[in-house]
Amino acid sequence: DGGITQSPKYLFRKEGQNVTLSCEQNLNHDAMYWYRQDPGQGLRLIYYSQIVNDFQKGDIAEGYSVSREKKESFPLTVTSAQKNPTAFYLCASSSDWAGYTFGSGTRLTVV
Amino acid sequence: RKEVEQDPGPFNVPEGATVAFNCTYSNSASQSFFWYRQDCRKEPKLLMSVYSSGNEDGRFTAQLNRASQYISLLIRDSKLSDSATYLCVVIFHSGGYQKVTFGTGTKLQVIP
Repeated sequence: DGGITQSPKYLFRKEGQNVTLSCEQNLNHDAMYWYRQDPGQGLRLIYYSQIVNDFQKGDIAEGYSVSREKKESFPLTVTSAQKNPTAFYLCASSSDWAGYTFGSGTRLTVV
Repeated sequence: RKEVEQDPGPFNVPEGATVAFNCTYSNSASQSFFWYRQDCRKEPKLLMSVYSSGNEDGRFTAQLNRASQYISLLIRDSKLSDSATYLCVVIFHSGGYQKVTFGTGTKLQVIP
């Protein structure tokens, strides 16, 4: 079955540590996105990529980095520069905006 | 004014009731509209697209009012399983540029 897979489901980060969240899709979608969701808030766009080897900053890119070396993969690194990283992170992919398909999300907690 | 606004709720309704949510948007040039459903601690899932002529899918009806710049979602004969947060999505695209904006969601709780 085609879909989008995020891992891990839960992640704990120590202060000052970089962590990488994985996102893989086999839907053959060109566009991929990373969103952050905080309790009681909407989805905020971190980064997006419309094609391999190209990506753009979203509304809250500071403290995050991404790469898009393969069409299927769009990993997100949460760096130590992100001062408040505890959140629910959602990866999505789309093709010509027939709607997003979301991964099941990663809950990141700073310990 | 926020680009997309939704009443956060919660809307507490009894089983079998009809409930409606609105979502207002500020960019009059927005072209595409969707409703997503998000269960607690899960990812959002596409519920339905919203067309100018209105569209219906079983107990769900979505409508677009371009003049007043809002979309609506009507749920008839509410079921316990309808309890979730409903997110509206508004898209503006021009040439190669696209902006997708999510609402913060309206929480629905259907009570037995």
